[in-house]
Amino acid sequence: KAGVTQTPRYLIKTRGQQVTLSCSPISGHRSVSWYQQTPGQGLQFLFEYFSETQRNKGNFPGRFSGRQFSNSRSEMNVSTLELGDSALYLCASSRGQVGYEQYFGPGTRLTVT
Amino acid sequence: DAKTTQPTSMDCAEGRAANLPCNHSTISGNEYVYWYRQIHSQGPQYIIHGLKNNETNEMASLIITEDRKSSTLILPHATLRDTAVYYCIPTNSGGSNYKLTFGKGTLLTVNP
Repeated sequence: KAGVTQTPRYLIKTRGQQVTLSCSPISGHRSVSWYQQTPGQGLQFLFEYFSETQRNKGNFPGRFSGRQFSNSRSEMNVSTLELGDSALYLCASSRGQVGYEQYFGPGTRLTVT
Repeated sequence: DAKTTQPTSMDCAEGRAANLPCNHSTISGNEYVYWYRQIHSQGPQYIIHGLKNNETNEMASLIITEDRKSSTLILPHATLRDTAVYYCIPTNSGGSNYKLTFGKGTLLTVNP
């Protein structure tokens, strides 16, 4: 079974630009979660989607948004990039029900200059 | 979400058992205990989870105390590839609160 894939793997953007990251979950998984990892703050939850609906959102500004498509693929968007948005963005997929584990992708390394 | 306390770091000799403790004294009745690990520069990897009973799979064993206030992850025969940061995460893993709240975890270093 193919794992979670994320594209692109690496990205360099300039302050003020916007970026879209993509995540393809494991086949059959309906839940996709996004996390941000930085050296200072560690792994932080951004949001989670289940069957195209956002079920939960972390404590991030509105510049961070996401969506999920009918095939469970998900995208997250960051607008008006800031230097502090430089991070590893991780996507995880799950069956989305109680007792099921999350499977993480390799992440997208975003560098904002 | 319950707060967790884990040692910042631990060492283990290759081939020996690694026992990683986690205190989660504020865990609620419907919260599972999940363990993940993150090898450097990779995405976190699920290891095991449990609610009340001890659990074992091909990767590890999970021992949860009867009062559920603490747990121990056991890697029976640690290898160099087990060097990673290990996270203990209580979560109710369902409904509107479905998310993982990662703490700082324990850096396990397996030495040859």
